[in-house]
Amino acid sequence: SAVISQKPSRDICQRGTSLTIQCQVDSQVTMMFWYRQQPGQSLTLIATANQGSEATYESGFVIDKFPISRPNLTFSTLTVSNMSPEDSSIYLCSGRIYEKLFFGSGTQLSVL
Amino acid sequence: DAKTTQPNSMESNEEEPVHLPCNHSTISGTDYIHWYRQLPSQGPEYVIHGLTSNVNNRMASLAIAEDRKSSTLILHRATLRDAAVYYCILISSGPNTGNQFYFGTGTSLTVIP
Repeated sequence: SAVISQKPSRDICQRGTSLTIQCQVDSQVTMMFWYRQQPGQSLTLIATANQGSEATYESGFVIDKFPISRPNLTFSTLTVSNMSPEDSSIYLCSGRIYEKLFFGSGTQLSVL
Repeated sequence: DAKTTQPNSMESNEEEPVHLPCNHSTISGTDYIHWYRQLPSQGPEYVIHGLTSNVNNRMASLAIAEDRKSSTLILHRATLRDAAVYYCILISSGPNTGNQFYFGTGTSLTVIP
Protein backbone atom coordinates (compact mmCIF):
# COMPACT_ATOMS: atom_id res chain seq x y z
CA SER A 1 0.00 0.00 0.00
CA ALA A 2 1.06 3.59 -0.53
CA VAL A 3 -0.20 7.08 0.16
CA ILE A 4 0.57 9.78 -2.37
CA SER A 5 0.51 13.41 -1.32
CA GLN A 6 0.04 15.77 -4.23
CA LYS A 7 0.25 19.54 -4.09
CA PRO A 8 -1.03 22.02 -4.79
CA SER A 9 -4.59 20.72 -4.80
CA ARG A 10 -5.65 23.60 -7.01
CA ASP A 11 -4.26 26.77 -8.53
CA ILE A 12 -5.28 29.62 -10.76
CA CYS A 13 -2.49 30.82 -13.00
CA GLN A 14 -1.89 33.50 -15.56
CA ARG A 15 -1.24 32.74 -19.19
CA GLY A 16 2.47 32.39 -19.98
CA THR A 17 3.54 31.34 -16.50
CA SER A 18 4.59 27.89 -15.26
CA LEU A 19 3.35 25.71 -12.42
CA THR A 20 5.19 22.85 -10.75
CA ILE A 21 3.15 20.06 -9.21
CA GLN A 22 4.75 17.81 -6.61
CA CYS A 23 4.01 14.25 -5.60
CA GLN A 24 5.45 12.59 -2.54
CA VAL A 25 4.95 8.87 -1.88
CA ASP A 26 5.22 7.42 1.60
CA SER A 27 7.00 4.31 0.30
CA GLN A 28 9.26 3.41 -2.58
CA VAL A 29 7.42 2.75 -5.80
CA THR A 30 8.84 1.09 -8.88
CA MET A 31 7.21 3.46 -11.33
CA MET A 32 5.53 6.86 -11.26
CA PHE A 33 3.19 8.33 -13.82
CA TRP A 34 1.56 11.64 -14.62
CA TYR A 35 -1.96 11.94 -16.07
CA ARG A 36 -4.23 14.69 -17.29
CA GLN A 37 -7.99 14.54 -16.87
CA GLN A 38 -10.41 16.92 -18.47
CA PRO A 39 -13.68 17.46 -16.56
CA GLY A 40 -16.01 14.53 -17.02
CA GLN A 41 -13.50 12.57 -19.06
CA SER A 42 -11.10 9.72 -18.52
CA LEU A 43 -7.41 9.90 -17.63
CA THR A 44 -4.81 10.50 -20.33
CA LEU A 45 -1.28 9.35 -19.62
CA ILE A 46 1.23 12.18 -20.06
CA ALA A 47 4.46 10.41 -19.21
CA THR A 48 6.28 7.86 -17.10
CA ALA A 49 8.68 9.45 -14.64
CA ASN A 50 11.94 7.50 -14.62
CA GLN A 51 14.26 7.75 -11.66
CA GLY A 52 17.55 9.34 -12.59
CA SER A 53 16.79 9.65 -16.29
CA GLU A 54 14.55 11.49 -18.69
CA ALA A 55 10.84 10.79 -18.55
CA THR A 56 9.13 8.77 -21.25
CA TYR A 57 6.42 10.83 -22.91
CA GLU A 58 3.26 9.68 -24.62
CA SER A 59 2.30 10.83 -28.08
CA GLY A 60 1.18 14.44 -28.02
CA PHE A 61 3.17 15.41 -24.94
CA VAL A 62 6.67 16.88 -25.06
CA ILE A 63 9.37 17.55 -22.51
CA ASP A 64 9.59 21.26 -23.22
CA LYS A 65 5.95 21.70 -22.28
CA PHE A 66 5.78 19.16 -19.43
CA PRO A 67 9.24 18.74 -17.88
CA ILE A 68 9.29 15.99 -15.28
CA SER A 69 11.77 15.21 -12.56
CA ARG A 70 12.13 12.11 -10.42
CA PRO A 71 15.21 12.43 -8.23
CA ASN A 72 14.42 9.37 -6.09
CA LEU A 73 11.95 6.52 -5.67
CA THR A 74 9.45 8.50 -3.61
CA PHE A 75 9.22 11.94 -5.26
CA SER A 76 8.37 13.44 -8.63
CA THR A 77 7.41 16.80 -10.09
CA LEU A 78 5.54 17.82 -13.21
CA THR A 79 5.87 21.35 -14.54
CA VAL A 80 3.28 22.79 -16.87
CA SER A 81 5.24 25.40 -18.81
CA ASN A 82 4.18 28.54 -20.64
CA MET A 83 0.57 27.87 -19.77
CA SER A 84 -2.42 28.71 -21.91
CA PRO A 85 -6.14 28.31 -21.13
CA GLU A 86 -6.05 24.97 -23.00
CA ASP A 87 -3.87 23.61 -20.17
CA SER A 88 -6.73 24.03 -17.71
CA SER A 89 -7.34 20.52 -16.42
CA ILE A 90 -6.84 18.15 -13.53
CA TYR A 91 -3.35 16.68 -13.26
CA LEU A 92 -2.81 13.43 -11.36
CA CYS A 93 0.25 11.49 -10.35
CA SER A 94 0.33 7.81 -9.58
CA GLY A 95 2.79 5.26 -8.32
CA ARG A 96 2.98 1.57 -9.02
CA ILE A 97 3.86 -1.10 -6.45
CA TYR A 98 3.90 -4.51 -8.09
CA GLU A 99 0.56 -4.65 -9.96
CA LYS A 100 -1.27 -1.95 -8.03
CA LEU A 101 -1.54 1.74 -8.83
CA PHE A 102 -1.95 4.41 -6.19
CA PHE A 103 -3.05 7.94 -7.04
CA GLY A 104 -2.68 11.39 -5.66
CA SER A 105 -5.82 13.45 -5.16
CA GLY A 106 -5.08 15.62 -8.18
CA THR A 107 -4.26 19.23 -8.96
CA GLN A 108 -7.03 21.30 -10.48
CA LEU A 109 -5.40 23.90 -12.69
CA SER A 110 -7.19 26.90 -14.15
CA VAL A 111 -5.33 29.16 -16.57
CA LEU A 112 -6.69 32.64 -17.20
CA ASP B 1 -1.73 -2.25 -26.44
CA ALA B 2 -4.56 -4.11 -24.84
CA LYS B 3 -7.66 -1.99 -24.40
CA THR B 4 -10.89 -2.38 -22.50
CA THR B 5 -14.47 -1.45 -23.30
CA GLN B 6 -17.16 -0.68 -20.75
CA PRO B 7 -20.69 0.73 -20.83
CA ASN B 8 -20.69 4.48 -20.33
CA SER B 9 -23.18 4.44 -17.49
CA MET B 10 -25.26 2.17 -15.27
CA GLU B 11 -27.83 2.62 -12.55
CA SER B 12 -28.54 0.57 -9.49
CA ASN B 13 -30.92 0.78 -6.59
CA GLU B 14 -29.41 1.11 -3.17
CA GLU B 15 -28.87 -2.17 -1.33
CA GLU B 16 -29.05 -4.19 -4.56
CA PRO B 17 -26.16 -5.99 -6.29
CA VAL B 18 -24.44 -4.35 -9.24
CA HIS B 19 -22.65 -6.14 -12.06
CA LEU B 20 -20.26 -3.94 -14.03
CA PRO B 21 -19.03 -5.60 -17.24
CA CYS B 22 -15.73 -5.11 -19.06
CA ASN B 23 -14.54 -6.54 -22.37
CA HIS B 24 -10.84 -7.03 -23.01
CA SER B 25 -10.65 -9.29 -26.02
CA THR B 26 -6.96 -8.50 -26.76
CA ILE B 27 -5.71 -9.39 -23.28
CA SER B 28 -2.33 -11.12 -23.15
CA GLY B 29 -1.29 -13.92 -20.85
CA THR B 30 0.68 -11.65 -18.53
CA ASP B 31 -2.00 -9.00 -18.10
CA TYR B 32 -3.75 -8.62 -14.78
CA ILE B 33 -7.33 -7.31 -14.86
CA HIS B 34 -7.66 -4.32 -12.56
CA TRP B 35 -10.60 -2.29 -11.41
CA TYR B 36 -10.32 1.20 -10.02
CA ARG B 37 -12.98 3.68 -9.09
CA GLN B 38 -12.94 7.44 -8.98
CA LEU B 39 -15.17 9.29 -6.60
CA PRO B 40 -15.99 12.92 -7.43
CA SER B 41 -13.03 15.27 -6.96
CA GLN B 42 -10.66 12.46 -6.00
CA GLY B 43 -7.98 10.39 -7.66
CA PRO B 44 -8.82 6.83 -8.67
CA GLU B 45 -8.60 4.20 -5.96
CA TYR B 46 -7.84 0.52 -6.27
CA VAL B 47 -10.82 -1.82 -6.00
CA ILE B 48 -9.68 -5.30 -6.98
CA HIS B 49 -7.55 -7.22 -9.45
CA GLY B 50 -7.13 -10.75 -10.71
CA LEU B 51 -5.39 -12.90 -13.28
CA THR B 52 -7.46 -16.00 -13.98
CA SER B 53 -9.49 -17.00 -10.94
CA ASN B 54 -12.38 -15.11 -9.42
CA VAL B 55 -11.36 -12.84 -6.57
CA ASN B 56 -13.12 -11.48 -3.52
CA ASN B 57 -12.19 -8.71 -1.12
CA ARG B 58 -14.02 -6.49 1.31
CA MET B 59 -15.00 -4.04 -1.41
CA ALA B 60 -16.12 -6.25 -4.26
CA SER B 61 -15.83 -9.47 -6.21
CA LEU B 62 -14.25 -9.97 -9.59
CA ALA B 63 -15.54 -12.64 -11.93
CA ILE B 64 -13.21 -13.47 -14.83
CA ALA B 65 -14.41 -15.35 -17.90
CA GLU B 66 -12.70 -18.64 -18.64
CA ASP B 67 -11.12 -17.23 -21.82
CA ARG B 68 -10.20 -14.02 -19.92
CA LYS B 69 -11.69 -11.86 -22.65
CA SER B 70 -14.19 -10.33 -20.29
CA SER B 71 -14.72 -9.73 -16.61
CA THR B 72 -17.38 -8.44 -14.26
CA LEU B 73 -16.99 -6.36 -11.13
CA ILE B 74 -19.66 -7.23 -8.59
CA LEU B 75 -20.72 -4.91 -5.82
CA HIS B 76 -22.85 -7.09 -3.60
CA ARG B 77 -24.93 -4.34 -2.03
CA ALA B 78 -24.65 -0.93 -3.62
CA THR B 79 -24.57 2.05 -1.30
CA LEU B 80 -24.73 5.74 -2.11
CA ARG B 81 -20.99 5.92 -1.44
CA ASP B 82 -20.41 3.52 -4.33
CA ALA B 83 -21.53 6.15 -6.85
CA ALA B 84 -18.38 6.69 -8.89
CA VAL B 85 -16.75 6.09 -12.24
CA TYR B 86 -15.40 2.54 -12.43
CA TYR B 87 -12.44 1.82 -14.67
CA CYS B 88 -11.34 -1.58 -15.89
CA ILE B 89 -7.70 -1.62 -17.04
CA LEU B 90 -5.06 -4.21 -17.89
CA ILE B 91 -1.66 -4.09 -16.22
CA SER B 92 1.19 -6.38 -17.16
CA SER B 93 2.58 -8.51 -14.39
CA GLY B 94 6.19 -7.69 -15.27
CA PRO B 95 7.89 -5.16 -12.99
CA ASN B 96 9.15 -3.03 -15.83
CA THR B 97 6.67 -3.83 -18.55
CA GLY B 98 3.17 -2.72 -19.26
CA ASN B 99 3.92 0.98 -18.93
CA GLN B 100 1.41 1.61 -21.63
CA PHE B 101 -1.78 0.92 -19.68
CA TYR B 102 -4.71 3.08 -20.52
CA PHE B 103 -7.84 4.13 -18.74
CA GLY B 104 -10.86 3.77 -21.00
CA THR B 105 -13.98 5.84 -20.60
CA GLY B 106 -15.10 3.86 -17.56
CA THR B 107 -18.63 3.25 -16.32
CA SER B 108 -20.36 5.97 -14.36
CA LEU B 109 -22.43 4.24 -11.68
CA THR B 110 -25.46 6.00 -10.28
CA VAL B 111 -26.96 4.58 -7.10
CA ILE B 112 -30.61 5.41 -6.58
CA PRO B 113 -31.80 5.74 -2.98
